[in-house]
Amino acid sequence: KQEVTQIPAALSVPEGENLVLNCSFTDSAIYNLQWFRQDPGKGLTSLLLIQSSQREQTSGRLNASLDKSSGRSTLYIAASQPGDSATYLCAVWGTTSGTYKYIFGTGTRLKVLA
Amino acid sequence: GAGVSQSPSNKVTEKGKDVELRCDPISGHTALYWYRQSLGQGLEFLIYFQGNSAPDKSGLPSDRFSAERTGGSVSTLTIQRTQQEDSAVYLCASRLSPSNEQFFGPGTRLTVL
Repeated sequence: KQEVTQIPAALSVPEGENLVLNCSFTDSAIYNLQWFRQDPGKGLTSLLLIQSSQREQTSGRLNASLDKSSGRSTLYIAASQPGDSATYLCAVWGTTSGTYKYIFGTGTRLKVLA
Repeated sequence: GAGVSQSPSNKVTEKGKDVELRCDPISGHTALYWYRQSLGQGLEFLIYFQGNSAPDKSGLPSDRFSAERTGGSVSTLTIQRTQQEDSAVYLCASRLSPSNEQFFGPGTRLTVL
């Protein structure tokens, strides 16, 4: 059974710091891994998606890496800003007992202090 | 419309009643996803549609849940004989293939009393 864990559960950093959010998954048979951002009271925003054959994806100050064999992904945020404050979720898309589904981690709540 | 819309935004119902939640995806988006987020819990994937068909419905929590999509556009998620544990925010997202980016709606907050 696929399980997705995110560490840390919460993180508070001063503005300008570079930071790393971690995501681990137990079953390496995934098709892709996606990082999302959720702002309080709002919906989700897709950030980056890494296909199983890829190692990393970059978008602006965000860089996501994937090591499928070890069941890990990291989301690197460079030069953090208060506007980056949100909950970050990772999700893996794969099959569990023949069923296609997204399995989400419980998220990392990030607070960037001005 | 400019984005994904969901209706109603809030729904309070009594245990045992049926509810229908609606999702209007971005025009032309071929893929549509339903998720739910319960208070204090993570996000749970329910079902996805490619066009009008859902390849796999086993992610739905129970046989009280059903979903359909017509005309490759609007989707409805129906919950029959609602239970208190069905209380959650139900989110819908759409995607235009082959892009991987999902666009989320604001959600429907369902409260079952």
